[in-house]
Amino acid sequence: NAGVTQTPKFRILKIGQSMTLQCTQDMNHNYMYWYRQDPGMGLKLIYYSVGAGITDKGEVPNGYNVSRSTTEDFPLRLELAAPSQTSVYFCASSRGLRAEAFFGQGTRLTVV
Amino acid sequence: AQTVTQSQPEMSVQEAETVTLSCTYDTSESDYYLFWYKQPPSRQMILVIRQEAYKQQNATENRFSVNFQKAAKSFSLKISDSQLGDAAMYFCAYRSDTGTASKLTFGTGTRLQVTL
Repeated sequence: NAGVTQTPKFRILKIGQSMTLQCTQDMNHNYMYWYRQDPGMGLKLIYYSVGAGITDKGEVPNGYNVSRSTTEDFPLRLELAAPSQTSVYFCASSRGLRAEAFFGQGTRLTVV
Repeated sequence: AQTVTQSQPEMSVQEAETVTLSCTYDTSESDYYLFWYKQPPSRQMILVIRQEAYKQQNATENRFSVNFQKAAKSFSLKISDSQLGDAAMYFCAYRSDTGTASKLTFGTGTRLQVTL
């Protein structure tokens, strides 16, 4: 069972560069989420989606964009990377409001 | 907005002993869900246990159990017969039962060390 798959696992970006963090799930979950985890902190919600074509902002959306063209995929786009975006990024999905969230293994991003 | 507080940044327990990790939360809602997630060095977030607020009975999952005190807004995790593999960061999380897409709100985590 693949579950939630994130790529890449590690990435170093230069300030001002752009990149897309990929996330795909094979559980046919409608709900998908992007979180970031800063050192010594819990996870904070960046964006979420309740289904294909529907996305909404979480707590810390500035500097990021998302799209949800299919149920399986939920990519996160960084347009102009800044050092403040150095973090570990987690994608998650869940079957519904009351269901547990399944997490990917995370992407460690460093902006230098 | 809901908040989740974990007041113990680090805890240590000897192998085979019992340890309790604390979590408190603030909410005005009556229906919600509470979770404990484990994050080992691999970074993977693993669900340990969940509790529905409408259930009075405390959830248990093998060596893991919770003490859910709804009035006190407290949700502690007890790990019995601790094993070396239990060493990890543990996050308490809250999830609303209302809204179009309820998000998980996490605490800042407790790092658990397990010693021989």
